[in-house]
Amino acid sequence: DSGVTQTPKHLITATGQRVTLRCSPRSGDLSVYWYQQSLDQGLQFLIQYYNGEERAKGNILERFSAQQFPDLHSELNLSSLELGDSALYFCASSTSRSRNEQFFGPGTRLTVL
Amino acid sequence: GENVEQHPSTLSVQEGDSAVIKCTYSDSASNYFPWYKQELGKRPQLIIDIRSNVGEKKDQRIAVTLNKTAKHFSLHITETQPEDSAVYFCAASSPLSFGAGTTVTVRA
Repeated sequence: DSGVTQTPKHLITATGQRVTLRCSPRSGDLSVYWYQQSLDQGLQFLIQYYNGEERAKGNILERFSAQQFPDLHSELNLSSLELGDSALYFCASSTSRSRNEQFFGPGTRLTVL
Repeated sequence: GENVEQHPSTLSVQEGDSAVIKCTYSDSASNYFPWYKQELGKRPQLIIDIRSNVGEKKDQRIAVTLNKTAKHFSLHITETQPEDSAVYFCAASSPLSFGAGTTVTVRA
């Protein structure tokens, strides 16, 4: 157990819908990262937050957004869902902006029908 | 941004033999290189990492080497066991850019 928690574990929804994925980092970790893992594309970095502020952006679609709250938990919002958004979504946390070790949560499996 | 290439994509080894996975990266400013192991349906787990000021690091049966000049790094697993069967990912920089993964199968 990495200490990073994610909810829900599974999510099944329809195209065009909007969902919110939640992540709680390890105690004391200020950075949260979101990744998408599709069967054909491996692990893709989406976005990083550090202490409530956006720190880096990767291959995140405009239909997706995220935020980190004062208690350091983070939410990833996915809207206007398409079949291709079906994937495992992981969050990871690390202690500080400069410390690199990232510990992954168990992931949320999103299925868009 | 950083581009990480990983080879081979699949690797089958006999139990007890060694396994080697190689990665190259493009950004010479990258200074952190972790390796993750992911079992089916599970989270990626950090197994070893190396920073650019070190050329080699070892942890029991696992070792990583880094060649900054050539911009490549490798994972070495010795005395492989069936529980080593998994997908292994290399990564570079921060935020991390991941390789495509290597599916390792250890034959009993």
